[in-house]
Amino acid sequence: QKEVEQNSGPLSVPEGAIASLNCTYSDRGSQSFFWYRQYSGKSPELIMSIYSNGDKEDGRFTAQLNKASQYVSLLIRDSQPSDSATYLCAVNRAGGKLIFGQGTELSVKP
Amino acid sequence: DVKVTQSSRYLVKRTGEKVFLECVQDMDHENMFWYRQDPGLGLRLIYFSYDVKMKEKGDIPEGYSVSREKKERFSLILESASTNQTSMYLCASSVRGYGYTFGSGTRLTVV
Repeated sequence: QKEVEQNSGPLSVPEGAIASLNCTYSDRGSQSFFWYRQYSGKSPELIMSIYSNGDKEDGRFTAQLNKASQYVSLLIRDSQPSDSATYLCAVNRAGGKLIFGQGTELSVKP
Repeated sequence: DVKVTQSSRYLVKRTGEKVFLECVQDMDHENMFWYRQDPGLGLRLIYFSYDVKMKEKGDIPEGYSVSREKKERFSLILESASTNQTSMYLCASSVRGYGYTFGSGTRLTVV
């Protein structure tokens, strides 16, 4: 089992729809969770962090964390073509290192 | 905003060359990391450092070494470049417990 697993893409949604990206992790001791966006040919950019169970909202983005189920998700409301990118889930390992999932490619169709 | 600067955006080197990839961050972060990113393999940790002159091996350290002589600078060294080290190299820095800030990456091609 991989330490961090993301639902395989590519995920295609129409403009204006909600995009739902999912991630599971294996280490129950993980305390910090992050979502990164990576455009093709660019480096990852941190867009959301979440540390406690529940929802965290930032603009059109909502991160959801359920530690009991070892599950973290990212919802993108009113998806725009500019949201088309690969989204990486990252979970902290002991000592401050992050473990990244393989990424989910999102395509938002106009 | 934290800025992480990688010295080269694109590099082409010959097999057997010694290659230096430089990374500088400007926000006094303790932690610095080197990853490589390959299609289908995702981001893999090569080396990391929590303090000056301190280094720890990541998941794939073979063929690489690092140097951290100053807090703001973390260098990745390919002792003898090989074609299987052709990759995108990403440097990152962080404060413990928080997310990384990545540099813009260096796309290295070894021919």
